[in-house]
Amino acid sequence: GAGVSQSPSNKVTEKGKDVELRCDPISGHTALYWYRQRLGQGLEFLIYFQGNSAPDKSGLPSDRFSAERTGESVSTLTIQRTQQEDSAVYLCASSLAQGVYTFGSGTRLTVV
Amino acid sequence: GQQVMQIPQYQHVQEGEDFTTYCNSSTTLSNIQWYKQRPGGHPVFLIQLVKSGEVKKQKRLTFQFGEAKKNSSLHITATQTTDVGTYFCAFSGAGSYQLTFGKGTKLSVIP
Repeated sequence: GAGVSQSPSNKVTEKGKDVELRCDPISGHTALYWYRQRLGQGLEFLIYFQGNSAPDKSGLPSDRFSAERTGESVSTLTIQRTQQEDSAVYLCASSLAQGVYTFGSGTRLTVV
Repeated sequence: GQQVMQIPQYQHVQEGEDFTTYCNSSTTLSNIQWYKQRPGGHPVFLIQLVKSGEVKKQKRLTFQFGEAKKNSSLHITATQTTDVGTYFCAFSGAGSYQLTFGKGTKLSVIP
C-alpha cells in the first residue's frame, strides 16, 4: 500500500482481556518495527522483523506480549491479559534498508 | 546499550523566535535521523545525517552532525505555529536497522 496501515485506530478493552493489533507495512519494505508510546513520552522499542530472519524481541516488556509477521507483509502484535499499564499508543513502522522509518498512525489502546 | 540524551525536554517560544534542540551521545554514532511528531500524530521522518560535520537545510530547518559524530542539532529559524510538535532524534547501531529514539523535545509556539 501507499503507507503503513494500522488497525484498529482505537481499542478500549477490559483489564484481563487479550487484544490483537494489526500492521500492514508498505509493500516491499523488508523491515517492520513495533514501538510503544505512553502519553507524553518517547518511543519504546518492542520488536523488529527483518525479512526471514528471527525477530529481535529484546524490547518486549513481558511474556504477555508477542508478535508475528507473515513473510514480508502483515504483522500482528498480541497482548494477553491486558493490564492498565499497557494503555498507550502502539506504533508500527516499516523500512527498506538504511532504517528510514515510515510510521503508521498507531493504535491507541485503553485498558479499563 | 547506546543511548542519546536530547535537550531540552520542553521549549516554549514566541512565534518568530528561533529554536534549537540538541542530541548528545557518549559514543560515536554511525548516523542520526530526525523525526517530527505533531500533537496527536505519528512521527514523520525529516532527515538523515551520516557524515562527520554534515550540515543540511530544509527551508527554515538546519540540521548538523558533529565532527566527532557524537552530537547533532536541529535549529529552526523564525518559528511558526506550524512548527509545534515533538522533535525526536534517532540512531541505529552498526549493522542494525532498528532505531533508538531520544526522549524528544516538545516545542510550543506562542502566536
